[in-house]
Amino acid sequence: KNEVEQSPQNLTAQEGEFITINCSYSVGISALHWLQQHPGGGIVSLFMLSSGKKKHGRLIATINIQEKHSSLHITASHPRDSAVYICAVNLHGAGNMLTFGGGTRLMVKP
Amino acid sequence: DTAVSQTPKYLVTQMGNDKSIKCEQNLGHDTMYWYKQDSKKFLKIMFSYNNKELIINETVPNRFSPKSPDKAHLNLHINSLELGDSAVYFCASSQGQGAYTFGSGTRLTVV
Repeated sequence: KNEVEQSPQNLTAQEGEFITINCSYSVGISALHWLQQHPGGGIVSLFMLSSGKKKHGRLIATINIQEKHSSLHITASHPRDSAVYICAVNLHGAGNMLTFGGGTRLMVKP
Repeated sequence: DTAVSQTPKYLVTQMGNDKSIKCEQNLGHDTMYWYKQDSKKFLKIMFSYNNKELIINETVPNRFSPKSPDKAHLNLHINSLELGDSAVYFCASSQGQGAYTFGSGTRLTVV
């Protein structure tokens, strides 16, 4: 079993819908990252958080350390949000190296 | 101004060859990494390196070796390439435990 689990694996939404992607982890972490990978492959860091909530434009990331759970929300989704969203964590004792979830493939239809 | 640049973007080579992938970052970050993304798009750490310490994922074959001529560069050398090495390799950097910046990836195909 992977230390970082994401759900759903695949998600299709209509433009304008509110989207939630979930990430659960089973071990102690020092930080959690949300990444975006577009078709064509480049990976972009969206958020890094260790507590609470962060917002950037239409994206919101939250983390609950006690429950070992994080969510990524996209408000007013748009076809350009179509991408793979990846949750990754810094495990305690693993320095700066990331351990990844399997990703959530999001398609937003116009 | 590309922050983390990798070359080449595509690499097709025969089994048994030795190849290198170059990575450079101009962010002044102190730590660089190599990650491998397999055919199922799953990412896994290969190496983490700063000017003090090289951390190697124990599952990485010793045919893979990182070489860092200076803190802005971390190249990946692969000896005796095998079919299973075909993947996309990503270089990344961070400052301490800060956010990551990734390169655009190198798609390696071993035939």
